[in-house]
Amino acid sequence: GAGVSQSPSNKVTEKGKDVELRCDPISGHTALYWYRQSLGQGLEFLIYFQGNSAPDKSGLPSDRFSAERTGGSVSTLTIQRTQQEDSAVYLCASSSTGAHGYTFGSGTRLTVV
Amino acid sequence: AQKVTQAQTEISVVEKEDVTLDCVYETRDTTYYLFWYKQPPSGELVFLIRRNSFDEQNEISGRYSWNFQKSTSSFNFTITASQVVDSAVYFCALSEARRGGTALIFGKGTTLSVSS
Repeated sequence: GAGVSQSPSNKVTEKGKDVELRCDPISGHTALYWYRQSLGQGLEFLIYFQGNSAPDKSGLPSDRFSAERTGGSVSTLTIQRTQQEDSAVYLCASSSTGAHGYTFGSGTRLTVV
Repeated sequence: AQKVTQAQTEISVVEKEDVTLDCVYETRDTTYYLFWYKQPPSGELVFLIRRNSFDEQNEISGRYSWNFQKSTSSFNFTITASQVVDSAVYFCALSEARRGGTALIFGKGTTLSVSS
């Protein structure tokens, strides 16, 4: 597509439920990144993919967080047993090569109640 | 550990004033990239500039200019004759080598408010 697409744009979930956030990168971009932005905070790096492989998962805040990417395209970030501290905007970005800068999606605003 | 520091949390200016946003970074990499992004109230991050560590030439793009000084590990961003539409959060970022690739490490951002 023309840009990075994320869905849903907003998600309200009850504490303890699982959620899936989707990212559709720019066609042909091999690198895909997930970041989290909490209220008033900067961007916290979570995980990135080169193709379908995630070489570095060290940014994931806990084992409740996981991500996958299939076909070198769409990625899903899953948060299990959501907690209130998971409330944030989850941003996805893609790039042809990381050093050239990313194109970000509009994000998914997750609210855990 | 790599780090990006944006010491100014919030800046308020009046239209037509010039404003400089500071960015100081720490890295052990000899080759790296620095970036600035803008996040307007709509929330989407907009890429502004990328600079590699071997290019210390200052860059000007319209009302925007960037001053990269390796000696002080700084990559400052100046907006000349600010406008209300410049109101946004501005993030400085540094590329960090990671296993299998790179990732961008962001500062905490500077919120710029331009009033008319």
